[in-house]
Amino acid sequence: SQTIHQWPATLVQPVGSPLSLECTVEGTSNPNLYWYRQAAGRGLQLLFYSVGIGQISSEVPQNLSASRPQDRQFILSSKKLLLSDSGFYLCAWSAREGAGDTEAFFGQGTRLTVV
Amino acid sequence: AQKVTQAQTEISVVEKEDVTLDCVYETRDTTYYLFWYKQPPSGELVFLIRRNSFDEQNEISGRYSWNFQKSTSSFNFTITASQVVDSAVYFCALRGRGSTLGRLYFGRGTQLTVWP
Repeated sequence: SQTIHQWPATLVQPVGSPLSLECTVEGTSNPNLYWYRQAAGRGLQLLFYSVGIGQISSEVPQNLSASRPQDRQFILSSKKLLLSDSGFYLCAWSAREGAGDTEAFFGQGTRLTVV
Repeated sequence: AQKVTQAQTEISVVEKEDVTLDCVYETRDTTYYLFWYKQPPSGELVFLIRRNSFDEQNEISGRYSWNFQKSTSSFNFTITASQVVDSAVYFCALRGRGSTLGRLYFGRGTQLTVWP
């Protein structure tokens, strides 16, 4: 069965410090991968999505970047965190088009507080 | 353009009441998929159901039921005999095909509180 791991679960970082959040998927190949952010107010904002190694699409300009060094690994990074980067970050995966099920499955999330 | 609207920001009910969460969507894709997710206080999004655009059959799973109507672009979710454990934020989502590359479009969510 497929599983998705995301870590750390919580993180408190000072303004200006770097960030690296990692997400890995097991039990599937060639998944679509996503990073979402949920700020206060509950809305889910898509930050990045990827359909393959090295292929990253950004939805909104921001202080963050993403990378996909391996097929089932997705990393969210920042060189210098801002207070506005605080939020709940969720990684997700879904099957490719034509590969069967199309729902996305989410990791447990990382609660980031920038102080 | 893809868009999902959940007009109900918060709903409060007393245990055992029925409650319906509304979801209206917009898409130009002829083939698309609709989803409901539950987000309990722990934060993880839990997948509840997927509905394909070419299948308008309503679905029932225990106390949960879903009403998909293409004519009104709605995909409503009803909880029968609600329980305290149903308290969560519920998200409706849309996924198109083709150029959207599989990304999900979420509504802003509905906070459901079930009181004992």
